Amino acid sequence: QLQLHESGPGLVKPSDTLSLTCTVSGGSMSRSFYYWGWIRQPPGKGLEWIGSTSSSGSAYYKPSLVNRVTISVDTSSNQFSLRLTSVTATDTAVYYCARLDGLFPPDYWGQGTLVIVSS
Amino acid sequence: QSVLTQPPSVSAAPGQKVTISCSGSSSNIGNNYVSWYQQFPGTAPKLLIYDNDKRPSGIPDRFSGSKSGTSGTLDITGLQAGDEADYYCGTWDSSLSAVFGGGTKLTVL
Repeated sequence: QLQLHESGPGLVKPSDTLSLTCTVSGGSMSRSFYYWGWIRQPPGKGLEWIGSTSSSGSAYYKPSLVNRVTISVDTSSNQFSLRLTSVTATDTAVYYCARLDGLFPPDYWGQGTLVIVSS
Repeated sequence: QSVLTQPPSVSAAPGQKVTISCSGSSSNIGNNYVSWYQQFPGTAPKLLIYDNDKRPSGIPDRFSGSKSGTSGTLDITGLQAGDEADYYCGTWDSSLSAVFGGGTKLTVL
């Protein structure tokens, strides 16, 4: 059974960079069909897709975040990462990593990790 | 404001049927598959329906999906107390990004 687990700081200062890693177990990330992505959910609000990338590096990002976000994959360690620069309080959310069946939908999700942006 | 429009809340009694709608446009639902997710408080979303009407292994057939034009629909029959959760629709968009609905809170009366 495929499992995903997010890790990273739970508190980030405004204007700093948010960095999270997702570790995949129970399966290999190297199959090119799947995409690996990040979805976030501000407290009490709905889901927001951030972006996703294939193991070969073909990436798609939410248009409003494209200038601040990078998703990278390391198939050798079965991990992928999220980097979001210049964060503000509006980036406070639970961040989920997910495997996507092709471009969409996400079919396996991590448990989520809360990231608070505050000084 | 979400790209896909869902009713904020729906409710029905145990054993009844409830329908949740998801309205989009030709840029998203009209030309792509719709998927549905169930989320309980404090937990990650779970894929319920994909490709408009397909259920992943382990999802009861009480849950069904359909699509017509630029709208998708999730039906839940034989409602149970354990179905009380938030439900989200999602799809791919012509802007080369994924979009979700704002979510619908299901209350079992």
